[in-house]
Amino acid sequence: LAKTTQPISMDSYEGQEVNITCSHNNIATNDYITWYQQFPSQGPRFIIQGYKTKVTNEVASLFIPADRKSSTLSLPRVSLSDTAVYYCLVGDGNNDMRFGAGTRLTVKP
Amino acid sequence: DAGVIQSPRHEVTEMGQEVTLRCKPISGHNSLFWYRQTMMRGLELLIYFNNNVPIDDSGMPEDRFSAKMPNASFSTLKIQPSEPRDSAVYFCASTLGQRGNTIYFGEGSWLTVV
Repeated sequence: LAKTTQPISMDSYEGQEVNITCSHNNIATNDYITWYQQFPSQGPRFIIQGYKTKVTNEVASLFIPADRKSSTLSLPRVSLSDTAVYYCLVGDGNNDMRFGAGTRLTVKP
Repeated sequence: DAGVIQSPRHEVTEMGQEVTLRCKPISGHNSLFWYRQTMMRGLELLIYFNNNVPIDDSGMPEDRFSAKMPNASFSTLKIQPSEPRDSAVYFCASTLGQRGNTIYFGEGSWLTVV
């Protein structure tokens, strides 16, 4: 079972790029890396997922080095509405999916 | 498509009462997860099912907690008797249970035990 480590909190300003790195040294061959976003009073929701190299969608990019022991979520030009908790999760979707503490991102005007 | 549906959304109950939380996973999903979230402990995995079978309930806090999944479209999490420290948001989530599949969460059941 891969364990993840993320910074507890980060601050940013509107319009900046934010990079959140997650460490997962014990990631297994079958594990994917998935990032979730959680707003207050809501359940976590999917942002992006990858297995290796780089993945980009309309809201974020995910960078995964060759050894896959870490990953970096990149949020371009954040706005106030991006203030949330971001979780990195590793797993194969078919076993226990345990979340870490997450990173609380605060975007300031 | 309907997402994961949980009920009740909010419940306030007195200590000692039985609480039953309900979940309807997304149709076709074969893995279901129950999580509990508090400020102090974050998002904890309580139990998960694959194809209606409980696989790992090591996260269930104690014998007062029980979960069932009688069929592919319904699951319950029961607390009996409830205690104030059980106050939390309980999330149900489901996934296809295949490599790389995303977990989809319900909106949560907000439980307050007084």
